[in-house]
Amino acid sequence: QSALTQPASVSGSPGQSITISCTGTSSDVGSYNLVSWYQQHPGKAPKLMIYEGSKRPSGVSNRFSGSKSGNTASLTISGLQAEDEADYYCCSYAGSSTSVFGGGTKLTVL
Amino acid sequence: QVQLVQSGAEVKKPGASVKVSCKASGYTFTSYYMHWVRQAPGQGLEWMGIINPSGGSTSYAQKLQGRVTMTRDTSTSTVYMELSSLRSEDTAVYYCARGTTMVRGVIVYWGQGTLVTVSS
Repeated sequence: QSALTQPASVSGSPGQSITISCTGTSSDVGSYNLVSWYQQHPGKAPKLMIYEGSKRPSGVSNRFSGSKSGNTASLTISGLQAEDEADYYCCSYAGSSTSVFGGGTKLTVL
Repeated sequence: QVQLVQSGAEVKKPGASVKVSCKASGYTFTSYYMHWVRQAPGQGLEWMGIINPSGGSTSYAQKLQGRVTMTRDTSTSTVYMELSSLRSEDTAVYYCARGTTMVRGVIVYWGQGTLVTVSS
């Protein structure tokens, strides 16, 4: 159960698009379409942004989208806004009733 | 509305145990899986395990096997997470987080977090 691999940081200017990758293995990301993405602002609990790879919960902006190819999932944020600055975590079901998180990515809006 | 209210902050000595509670409301307690996730200071999220409040079955992260125990009390809609043989590396905010009706389901709702500090 190794953590999924995310870049430590990404940055972008307001209005731009950024993509955060999340690389796992054939035992987790590659085997299930069950990757979720969470946004976490400092001192706050995480907030669900994407589930089952590409689905958005009610109330989440359509600027957020998810995809997957092989063992790598991706979160894309388009039309970057200042309030998007936060930490982002991916999470995948990993079989045998277990899940695993990525190490997290700090998004800076320049 | 779904609410998960956790117990207060704890300070423990190395080698001791800690038990964190999470009282659920606003939904049918036995219908939804509950996860526990922790976050060390300045670090990322770590999945600890999952409990089925209906039957009490559990699954734990391999790293914590033997030290973590998750239980539930259906009469009070409360789940508990007990971590034993505490070390300084266990200092973290511990979250309970409600999943879905399936063990593979996504984590949707989060408690407010409980800070556990392990220090001599």
